[in-house]
Amino acid sequence: EVQLVESGGDLVRPGGSLRLSCAASGFPFDAYAMAWVRQAPGKGLEWVAVIGGNGARAFYADSMQGRFSVSRDNSRNTAYLQLNDLRADDTAVYYCARGLLVDSHFDHWGQGTLVTVSS
Amino acid sequence: DIQMTQSPLTLYASVGDRVTITCRATESISSWLAWYQQKPGKAPKLLIYKASTLETGVPSRFSGSGSGTDFSLTISSLQPEDFATYYCHQYLTYSGTFGQGTKVEIK
Repeated sequence: EVQLVESGGDLVRPGGSLRLSCAASGFPFDAYAMAWVRQAPGKGLEWVAVIGGNGARAFYADSMQGRFSVSRDNSRNTAYLQLNDLRADDTAVYYCARGLLVDSHFDHWGQGTLVTVSS
Repeated sequence: DIQMTQSPLTLYASVGDRVTITCRATESISSWLAWYQQKPGKAPKLLIYKASTLETGVPSRFSGSGSGTDFSLTISSLQPEDFATYYCHQYLTYSGTFGQGTKVEIK
């Protein structure tokens, strides 16, 4: 069974940093791209970033380029999203999702982890 | 960036109704479109990909159509468990974008 479990969400002050993790199981992790999608409270889904199966290619939404960084450790079956210089409007549930390619639909999603940016 | 516009944003319907949600792209995305269902407090669930391919395990009352810039999701006979929010997602390029979401509510 495919499972994606996010962790690392927390309350952080504006300007702070956080690293989110997405632990995967039930499939050949390095054969899939991993994406991050966020959802602000009461709002819609927003695509954040994606990384290819071998980690060689990573892409970001324009508004997050330079502040966020996606990576993966295929030996640990885990993807990461580093969030820097956080702002109040980064407050959201962050989901990881699996895609066959970096430009693909997402067939499995984690349950999400909440990041709250507030002083 | 490619923008996706869904309509309506809220849809009121009854059990047994046939409902259709539309999604329009600002430029052609061929058939690189997916539909997801999301219930409150839960992660999105894939329903349809490549515009019209039903994901394994999804009931056949769900169907998708369209290509280019105009797409639709149809539920042929609305069931109680279908009251949820639906999102379209274009993945022509690696920088995917979602529609605003359509909330299907009980009339």
